[in-house]
Amino acid sequence: DTEVTQTPKHLVMGMTNKKSLKCEQHMGHRAMYWYKQKAKKPPELMFVYSYEKLSINESVPSRFSPECPNSSLLNLHLHALQPEDSALYLCASLGPQGSYGYTFGSGTRLTVV
Amino acid sequence: GESVGLHLPTLSVQEGDNSIINCAYSNSASDYFIWYKQESGKGPQFIIDIRSNMDKRQGQRVTVLLNKTVKHLSLQIAATQPGDSAVYFCAEMEYGNKLVFGAGTILRVKS
Repeated sequence: DTEVTQTPKHLVMGMTNKKSLKCEQHMGHRAMYWYKQKAKKPPELMFVYSYEKLSINESVPSRFSPECPNSSLLNLHLHALQPEDSALYLCASLGPQGSYGYTFGSGTRLTVV
Repeated sequence: GESVGLHLPTLSVQEGDNSIINCAYSNSASDYFIWYKQESGKGPQFIIDIRSNMDKRQGQRVTVLLNKTVKHLSLQIAATQPGDSAVYFCAEMEYGNKLVFGAGTILRVKS
């Protein structure tokens, strides 16, 4: 399995809702990432997990809460989002030393109404 | 972190021609660079990478050139095909395995 799987593919949520995005990989990668991508813009890094521990938080608002329950799974919990948070949320994983190149999932298209 | 940028936002080429997409980076400490292709509705797809101890690397129909003197990166696509139409991003890896993307170039292939 050489894929990063993200669910759901599309999500519409209200500003008072709580939802979660899920990311899964079974490549044995030990670093996993969340990126946010607005239309016609490059992906922007949000969080990095290394060996299941949060190593980088790019000053992301607390309404986004990441979680890494195990080495294969990464979640992004969403609460009280704003319409400007609507974007494509991408998950990626990074191979071991000497085998670089992130593998990206297809993303979750999030719309906040 | 420092920015990675692209010279041309849109590139239109005729099918069969060669394409060259350029990227300027500003962090001279970066030692690893990646090119990604992103099609509509999909995540970025790894194309080719290069380390700073190299100045050229070739793949299938693609070549990446690195000029550290002027901090310039380019992606060459040979015999461009309609399936190559996408947005192309260069990215550099910073400290802590942090991947920073450039602005992106739209490649349009005309049949």
